[in-house]
This record gives sequence, C-alpha cells and structure tokens, in this order.
Amino acid sequence: DAGVTQSPTHLIKTRGQHVTLRCSPISGHKSVSWYQQVLGQGPQFIFQYYEKEERGRGNFPDRFSARQFPNYSSELNVNALLLGDSALYLCASRIPSGGSSYNEQFFGPGTRLTVL
Amino acid sequence: GESVGLHLPTLSVQEGDNSIINCAYSNSASDYFIWYKQESGKGPQFIIDIRSNMDKRQGQRVTVLLNKTVKHLSLQIAATQPGDSAVYFCAENLLDSSYKLIFGSGTRLLVRP
Repeated sequence: DAGVTQSPTHLIKTRGQHVTLRCSPISGHKSVSWYQQVLGQGPQFIFQYYEKEERGRGNFPDRFSARQFPNYSSELNVNALLLGDSALYLCASRIPSGGSSYNEQFFGPGTRLTVL
Repeated sequence: GESVGLHLPTLSVQEGDNSIINCAYSNSASDYFIWYKQESGKGPQFIIDIRSNMDKRQGQRVTVLLNKTVKHLSLQIAATQPGDSAVYFCAENLLDSSYKLIFGSGTRLLVRP
C-alpha cells in the first residue's frame, strides 16, 4: 500500500519567491495536515483540512495558505519566502473519527525547502 | 501555554539494554499522547499512543507510561537494537476539530554496538 506521498522531495528557492508543495494522502484518508519542522526541532502544526475545508490553523503568518482538492490531495503555498522558512514540510493524513477518538496520523517523507 | 518538552536531548545506550526516553507536558487538557520515531530523511513514524485516562500501555518491545500528576510521559524500549537509533518525539493531541499534534523538541537515541 502506498503511504503519504509528497512532492517535490527537495526544493531550493530565493527570498521573495513563492513555493507550492504537494501532498497525496493514503487512499481513504480524507483529512490532511501540514507541519513545518525546522532542523533540530519537533514539527509545528500549520494547517488541517478535511473535506476541502480548513479545520485548524497554527500560529503562522498569512503568507502560508493551503487547500484540499476533491480527491483529498492538498497543496501548501508559501509566498514572499524568508530565510526562516527553510525547513522540512511534512504532510500527514488520517481517517477522521468525528472527535470521539484518536486515529493515527501517518506522515509523508516531507519536502526539504531551502531558502537562499 | 501549550508546550511539550523533553528532558534529555541525546541518549546513548548499549545494544541489548533498555532505553527510557522522558517527556514533560504542560497542557492538562490533552486527550492523547503519542510517541513518534523519526529516522534521518524520513517523516515521523507512529510508535505507540496512550489515552489520558490510562497510565500504562504496552506494545511490541515498547511501553508508554503516563503520570498525569506530574505531567510526565515516558517511552521504554526493551532490548534496544541498532535499528532503534533515531530521534524520538512525544506529542500531545487535543480532540478538538483540528486534531493538531503538539510536538516536543525530540531526543536522539544512539545505540552502541
């Protein structure tokens, strides 16, 4: 079975540019979350989408945006890139449980973004 | 505020020994606590979780202990193997509409042959 897939695997951009990262969840998973992991730190929550609607947002500026498509894949967009945006961007998918129990989130391998 | 932290940044153990990785959390409202393993170049991999109404849960070679009195979480790995070398994160989860995970900063486990 295919796990969560992300593209591209690596990306190099310069300050001020924008970037689009893509994520395909595990088949049957309708919820997708995005996390930013700066080197040496734990992942930080950016967004969660379910049924194409934003269900949660972390403490990130408006330069960060995302969307989910009818096939449940998702894109993360970052505008006006800063050096501090350099990080591993992780996508995770899960089967929503309606809030009554915890269902495991499965993480993809991430996209390594370097901003020069 | 919300935070999940770890006491030890690096833990070195002899192959075959037991490992204990600790974590302190501050949000008493969290519903679930999860341990993830992250190997170099990969995303976090689920190891084991525990609900807030439990104090112990066992898996294959792993045990998670939860002490809500002192807001402490630990991961015990029995008979540590070289393949266990990785960074381990604890995370907490609130069963709200966002299902966001709050991660700690991680502990690197090094297994000496």
